[in-house]
Amino acid sequence: GAGVSQTPSNKVTEKGKYVELRCDPISGHTALYWYRQSLGQGPEFLIYFQGTGAADDSGLPNDRFFAVRPEGSVSTLKIQRTERGDSAVYLCASSYTSGGAYNEQFFGPGTRLTVL
Amino acid sequence: EDQVTQSPEALRLQEGESSSLNCSYTVSGLRGLFWYRQDPGKGPEFLFTLYSAGEEKEKERLKATLTKKESFLHITAPKPEDSATYLCAVQATSNYQLIWGAGTKLIIKP
Repeated sequence: GAGVSQTPSNKVTEKGKYVELRCDPISGHTALYWYRQSLGQGPEFLIYFQGTGAADDSGLPNDRFFAVRPEGSVSTLKIQRTERGDSAVYLCASSYTSGGAYNEQFFGPGTRLTVL
Repeated sequence: EDQVTQSPEALRLQEGESSSLNCSYTVSGLRGLFWYRQDPGKGPEFLFTLYSAGEEKEKERLKATLTKKESFLHITAPKPEDSATYLCAVQATSNYQLIWGAGTKLIIKP
């Protein structure tokens, strides 16, 4: 596919459950980012990968949130013991480089997470 | 603290009525300023990157400009299909994350 894809598009879960959100970046993009967006707000940074490693995880709100990118392509965002406040749209983006030229971030359609 | 503020929150225009959206920013060192368009239920769609004061970029009816404190997105003779939320973000030289404004919701009435 030409763009960033995210699955599932919607996820409804109960408070306290574990969820995994998947992101498939644009082929050849080395940088991958996770953001979350609440209604009426701009996206909020969570974590950034350069290759397989998490280069910046300063936006993860607490230790219930974790993300991996084991082969430098697909990434999974994992949320343990979900809380109602975790409800948001989780966006994934990828870019060819991190800084300098070609650092534009291209976004997927997002996963809407609802915690009941 | 790096910060982005967009104004107005919402803007209603008649088709063909030109206007500008504002993005004010404070950042320790600017790596780049980005404009995105977001339609309901979709992820942000990249429009422009601006790297230094004085730079301008154009795409169809949109033109983005940058100063040391703010950026403007000028829309000329808009059409109803230009209706969307326009988001501004900055990337600081100290890291690679984007810091976002809350967006301007633009509605173009036919």
